[in-house]
Amino acid sequence: DSGVTQTPKHLITATGQRVTLRCSPRSGDLSVYWYQQSLDQGLQFLIQYYNGEERAKGNILERFSAQQFPDLHSELNLSSLELGDSALYFCASSLLLAGGMDTQYFGPGTRLTVL
Amino acid sequence: QKEVEQDPGPLSVPEGAIVSLNCTYSNSAFQYFMWYRQYSRKGPELLMYTYSSGNKEDGRFTAQVDKSSKYISLFIRDSQPSDSATYLCALSNQAGTALIFGKGTTLSVSS
Repeated sequence: DSGVTQTPKHLITATGQRVTLRCSPRSGDLSVYWYQQSLDQGLQFLIQYYNGEERAKGNILERFSAQQFPDLHSELNLSSLELGDSALYFCASSLLLAGGMDTQYFGPGTRLTVL
Repeated sequence: QKEVEQDPGPLSVPEGAIVSLNCTYSNSAFQYFMWYRQYSRKGPELLMYTYSSGNKEDGRFTAQVDKSSKYISLFIRDSQPSDSATYLCALSNQAGTALIFGKGTTLSVSS
C-alpha cells in the first residue's frame, strides 16, 4: 500500500458526460501528479500541483482540469468525454524536497470507461 | 524519435533465470532514472531509483545507467513467478518533476 488513495476505483459513463476523480496524497506529501495510462500511449503525465498551486502541465486536454485543495487532496475533472478518454488515471504524490531525489508514490488508479 | 524506448515484450523465462530489461532514451538532460513494477490492474510501485550513471543493487535487483550510451538496464537474478509483472522505466531531468515513462516490458516467469 503506497499510502495514496484514489476514488472511485471504476467509473463507467457515456460520451459527453463529465466526471470527477479524487486523490488523497500520502501524509506529508505536498506534490500531486496526475497521469493517464492507455494501451497505445502508455503512462503519460497530465498535470502537477504543489501545495495548492499548479506547477507543471503535460499532455492535458483543454477538456480536462484539476485542482488541489487546502487539505492537499486533488481532483481531476474530465468533461465532454469521448471514447478515447477511456483509460486508467493514476495519481502520484511526493514530498518534493529541494535538491536530492524525490520519489513519486502511485495510487491504485481509477479505471474510466466511456461508452 | 520517442524520448524513451522500451521493448514491450512479452518476455517469458523459467524460474531462476536472470532477466535483463532495458530502455534507451534520447534526451541527455535526464539525470534521474527509475524502474517501476506494475502488476495487472494495480498502480506502479517503485523498485529502483538511481541518480546519474552507475550501478545500484538491492537484493535480487540491479539497476545500471550508462549516460554516455543513453541506456538503462534492470537485472533480476533468480527470477520468481511473483516477479511476473510489467516493468516500466521512468526518467526525469530534475527532482520533483514529471516522469517520462517507457511503455513497459511484460515479464512472465514460469515455475
